[in-house]
Amino acid sequence: AQSVAQPEDQVNVAEGNPLTVKCTYSVSGNPYLFWYVQYPNRGLQFLLKYITGDNLVKGSYGFEAEFNKSQTSFHLKKPSALVSDSALYFCAVSFISGNTPLVFGKGTRLSVIA
Amino acid sequence: GAVVSQHPSRVICKSGTSVKIECRSLDFQATTMFWYRQFPKQSLMLMATSNEGSKATYEQGVEKDKFLINHASLTLSTLTVTSAHPEDSSFYICSARFAPEAFFGQGTRLTVV
Repeated sequence: AQSVAQPEDQVNVAEGNPLTVKCTYSVSGNPYLFWYVQYPNRGLQFLLKYITGDNLVKGSYGFEAEFNKSQTSFHLKKPSALVSDSALYFCAVSFISGNTPLVFGKGTRLSVIA
Repeated sequence: GAVVSQHPSRVICKSGTSVKIECRSLDFQATTMFWYRQFPKQSLMLMATSNEGSKATYEQGVEKDKFLINHASLTLSTLTVTSAHPEDSSFYICSARFAPEAFFGQGTRLTVV
């Protein structure tokens, strides 16, 4: 079975500091990994994905994530946090590219303090 | 890129009435769509998989008679919450895969009063 763990419910970071939101996964086979952001009462906005290729993936709004196969991790990072980055972040996994649903982590609330 | 449109974005209904939520793939065909439910400050829980031209597949614990799913065309799936009650109040989100991507609707905030 595939699963995703986001070990932190809440991450607090000062504006301008680097941020990391952690994600580990468990799948059999090669995973497809995604990060989404959600603002209050809104749908999910796609940030980035890892399908294959370079382990460091760059996405929207200055976010990036590194796929680490040995540690089964896909942590989301940004060099310099903005107050507007405050939101709910979801990591998701799929191990088949066809018509299967994504499996989501429980989400991590990021709070960037001015 | 591919877009999934969900309507309405919010709806308030009286207890005992039914509410229909539409999910459309705007520029691609989706033989399969997914319906999720999200409780406040929680993750997305898969409710059901909607299959074009056949019956939906429901996750364990989801009442298929309460949450009716119809996927009559390659671009439209509907979720009808029947005889809604306050405990059905939630945020509902649909999704479709355009491999390997996944696209999500804007979500529907349902409030049952």
